[in-house]
Amino acid sequence: GDSVTQMEGPVTLSEEAFLTINCTYTATGYPSLFWYVQYPGEGLQLLLKATKADDKGSNKGFEATYRKETTSFHLEKGSVQVSDSAVYFCALHGSSNTGKLIFGQGTTLQVKP
Amino acid sequence: DVKVTQSSRYLVKRTGEKVFLECVQDMDHENMFWYRQDPGLGLRLIYFSYDVKMKEKGDIPEGYSVSREKKERFSLILESASTNQTSMYLCASSFVIGGAREDTQYFGPGTRLTVL
Repeated sequence: GDSVTQMEGPVTLSEEAFLTINCTYTATGYPSLFWYVQYPGEGLQLLLKATKADDKGSNKGFEATYRKETTSFHLEKGSVQVSDSAVYFCALHGSSNTGKLIFGQGTTLQVKP
Repeated sequence: DVKVTQSSRYLVKRTGEKVFLECVQDMDHENMFWYRQDPGLGLRLIYFSYDVKMKEKGDIPEGYSVSREKKERFSLILESASTNQTSMYLCASSFVIGGAREDTQYFGPGTRLTVL
């Protein structure tokens, strides 16, 4: 079945450092791919998405490119801030019309001043 | 903006109690979902619903049931709470466009349930 694998955390960075959180997936067909973010004490918010190969999703300085050849959707940000400290979830929506999302296990990011 | 609300942010219950978690969305979404979130396991789908009075089992339905009597409201029921149901519960909704179930889900703030 479909699955998503994220790099294990926690990831601890200093402010203004470069961030990469790896995400790879297994799915048949052409899934849509997502990054959601969960700030402390809150629910999940959509950060960005990409719906087809080579698409780049971007939002709030974060970017991720849908790479079908490597089945990856790595999240990057050039300069992180303390306010980026959160849990980040990679997810996919399979090509069947279910509306269901498959989530990775989440990666905790802590940014220190 | 889509708003998904959950009835409680924190809940403490005793083993064996019947527990109701309520979720309401204000955007007329057809699809609604219940997840539980546990450290290291990500989000796991408990139940979902595509329409009023419809429900389908997710990946971990054991020990749970759901009710959807109105389009905007989706309730999760723990028939007899157990300590291994201590978790964060998240509700989400999404809509249908032209017969296709939209993939983006909108989440509520979560209910942290502790079963003693």
